[in-house]
Amino acid sequence: QVKLQESGPGLVEPSETLSLTCAVSGYSISSGFHWGWIRQPPGKGLEWIGFFYYTGTTSYNPSLKSRVTISVDTSKNQFSLRLTSVTAADTAVYFCVRGVDSWGQGTLVTVSS
Amino acid sequence: EIVLTQSPGTLSLSPGERATLSCRASQSVGNNYLAWHQQKPGQAPRLLIYDASRRAPDIPDRFSGSGSGTDFTLTVSRLEPEDFAVYYCQHYDKPPWTFGQGTKVEIK
Repeated sequence: QVKLQESGPGLVEPSETLSLTCAVSGYSISSGFHWGWIRQPPGKGLEWIGFFYYTGTTSYNPSLKSRVTISVDTSKNQFSLRLTSVTAADTAVYFCVRGVDSWGQGTLVTVSS
Repeated sequence: EIVLTQSPGTLSLSPGERATLSCRASQSVGNNYLAWHQQKPGQAPRLLIYDASRRAPDIPDRFSGSGSGTDFTLTVSRLEPEDFAVYYCQHYDKPPWTFGQGTKVEIK
């Protein structure tokens, strides 16, 4: 059974870069599926950030596209999220996902000085 | 971009009652690539339904999905206490993938 686990700083200063990693176990990310990120601001709904497909293609939410990069490290079976120039509006729980069927537990990232 | 609109925003029901949740898309969802997720407070969402009508593994058969094109429905035939939660629809047709705003099913 696949498991996903997010890790990274819980506090990021405004204008800095948010970086998170998702460690995957139980399935090789180079074998198939879309691997992506979703976020949820406190008390609000879900927002799709983007994904990479195992063949190498990526796709991002147009509203975040200029600031987002999703990359993969197949040797470690993990993938990462990078979001630049963050503001308080980027404060959210960030989830990594496999396609639509599997979610990590989520990690809260607060943007504050 | 496909915009998903869920209704109602809140559904107040009693255990044992039937819940019917709606998800309407601004344009047709290709291949019926529409999923339903359940989220309880403090937890990650959990996949219930994919491809509009296929139940995910280990999901009880009281959950069912239907619909095609632009109109989709999640039905819970008889609400159990653990079913009171927020439900989101999501399409995974052409990117960007998007979510509906959610329907909260609360105890009446």
